[in-house]
Amino acid sequence: QQQVKQSPQSLIVQKGGISIINCAYENTAFDYFPWYQQFPGKGPALLIAIRPDVSEKKEGRFTISFNKSAKQFSLHIMDSQPGDSATYFCAASFIRTGTASKLTFGTGTRLQVTL
Amino acid sequence: DTAVSQTPKYLVTQMGNDKSIKCEQNLGHDTMYWYKQDSKKFLKIMFSYNNKELIINETVPNRFSPKSPDKAHLNLHINSLELGDSAVYFCASSQGQGPRDRQFFGPGTRLTVL
Repeated sequence: QQQVKQSPQSLIVQKGGISIINCAYENTAFDYFPWYQQFPGKGPALLIAIRPDVSEKKEGRFTISFNKSAKQFSLHIMDSQPGDSATYFCAASFIRTGTASKLTFGTGTRLQVTL
Repeated sequence: DTAVSQTPKYLVTQMGNDKSIKCEQNLGHDTMYWYKQDSKKFLKIMFSYNNKELIINETVPNRFSPKSPDKAHLNLHINSLELGDSAVYFCASSQGQGPRDRQFFGPGTRLTVL
């Protein structure tokens, strides 16, 4: 079963607009929520991450909003640029005793920023 | 100065063949991973090694066998390839095995089984 649900599957935003991608999780043990950005033909790269004791984290034009009670978190890209066109993955992980943590990824959102 | 490198970039082969994908990281990390990204771009972990020791082994067919000759290398050998094995395989590494240890991904190997 999909433990991290992501929407929308694809998104088209005009240059300068705000891109919003949403994720919801089921496992309350998750305690770290990163977002990865993947350009065509490349591997995913960490964009920004948040812990559940924080409701918002901002890095430049990228902001994560986190709602622990609703088990939801979202990525906002302000002033979206054509160079932001990529696939974005939310993910979640938690500490597992006696073994390694592992990232559980959402299904990805393909963002296209048009001129 | 590629941090995580994989070879080959593309791999096209026939069903039933055996093939290997190599991964090397020059970040000095202790933990390495293999992920599979299917045609719908869904990313799923397959294996993780920490200091050459297997620590995560997801529900992967026995035809897949990872091998870590040293901390900087994690190779993936696949026997008796099937059509369903067609995907992009990513190697990744991180300093430690905790949830907040940033994972660095390689460029991927696109495997096509005909």
